[in-house]
Amino acid sequence: DVKVTQSSRYLVKRTGEKVFLECVQDMDHENMFWYRQDPGLGLRLIYFSYDVKMKEKGDIPEGYSVSREKKERFSLILESASTNQTSMYLCASSSPSGHQETQYFGPGTRLLVL
Amino acid sequence: ILNVEQSPQSLHVQEGDSTNFTCSFPSSNFYALHWYRWETAKSPEALFVMTLNGDEKKKGRISATLNTKEGYSYLYIKGSQPEDSATYLCALHGSARQLTFGSGTQLTVLP
Repeated sequence: DVKVTQSSRYLVKRTGEKVFLECVQDMDHENMFWYRQDPGLGLRLIYFSYDVKMKEKGDIPEGYSVSREKKERFSLILESASTNQTSMYLCASSSPSGHQETQYFGPGTRLLVL
Repeated sequence: ILNVEQSPQSLHVQEGDSTNFTCSFPSSNFYALHWYRWETAKSPEALFVMTLNGDEKKKGRISATLNTKEGYSYLYIKGSQPEDSATYLCALHGSARQLTFGSGTQLTVLP
């Protein structure tokens, strides 16, 4: 079974703090993704990576950065957390197989920024 | 950014009822349509990937159809059970390599 794990299920941080969200997958997948999910909105793509040390901006990258130093690990960084970054964050991974590739998701991290 | 719409936003049905909901997408930019189920406190999990116009996929009591010419997909659940309660997400794989998700249909099956 594919397993995608995220470092925390719940996180409370203060405005201005630097926040690290970690994601690890155990299936040797090349592709990894970070999404956020807010009520009434679909999953929105923040950043993704197709290989180690590669990163590409998604639809809403502002206020975020990412790091992919190892194939199995993809980190999302909030340099200076703000209240509008309170959200559910989901990590996913996939193996390239064209347009039919299935993404496997972690359980999510619910972040509250006070 | 592609526009993927799902309706209804939420739905309550009685146990045993059959139900269906819709995913609409721009037909001009279609490569594949994915359905995911997201149960509370769990990870979203893939249900179906559909690519061909007229495709129909089935998994137990859940099935999905695809119309790429008019840009929609239906998800059907026959004889809903409380364990079917979840948010059902559709996602479009367009010309870009990433998925564009709809906002989901939240289904509650009442015992």
